[in-house]
Amino acid sequence: GAGVSQTPSNKVTEKGKYVELRCDPISGHTALYWYRQSLGQGPEFLIYFQGTGAADDSGLPNDRFFAVRPEGSVSTLKIQRTERGDSAVYLCASSPTEGASGYTFGSGTRLTVV
Amino acid sequence: DQQVKQNSPSLSVQEGRISILNCDYTNSMFDYFLWYKKYPAEGPTFLISISSIKDKNEDGRFTVFLNKSAKHLSLHIVPSQPGDSAVYFCAANQGGSEKLVFGKGMKLTVNP
Repeated sequence: GAGVSQTPSNKVTEKGKYVELRCDPISGHTALYWYRQSLGQGPEFLIYFQGTGAADDSGLPNDRFFAVRPEGSVSTLKIQRTERGDSAVYLCASSPTEGASGYTFGSGTRLTVV
Repeated sequence: DQQVKQNSPSLSVQEGRISILNCDYTNSMFDYFLWYKKYPAEGPTFLISISSIKDKNEDGRFTVFLNKSAKHLSLHIVPSQPGDSAVYFCAANQGGSEKLVFGKGMKLTVNP
């Protein structure tokens, strides 16, 4: 596709459940980023992939959060034992190279934990 | 601790006038600054950036000014158009890191 695709666009889950959020980057983009935007806040960095490897996962809030990018393209953000505080819009971005100005963001997945 | 601050949550201007959006930062290690625009239900879109070696960068109607001594940057939009109505985020980056630090955003409304 032409842009970064994130699915689902909306996800409602019960507290304690497991969720997976998917990101399809722009074809050929080697860098992939996950951010989380809580209500009234700016996006907060979670993790950065260069190819298949997580080059910087310092933003993951705790060990309930995990992300993979096994083939260097699609990425999945996984959240275990969801809590109400995990409710946010999860944004994915990709870039053809390293460097922040090359980011293209997807429209995000709105996660609501009830 | 908020390292990038956008202290005004909203701004309303008339079409054709100048919009000035402000941003302050606390981390002196930041050396690259960006502005993003976000429409509802869409992801942020890159607008303009500036390196710390410059004090001004211009792209069409958009100009970003950087005052390093004051740790302050501003985005000027002139003339403002109704299509500019969106939430604007200021973001900063430290050399060697791929991580962007965002402000909370400011909602700009341009009235026809």
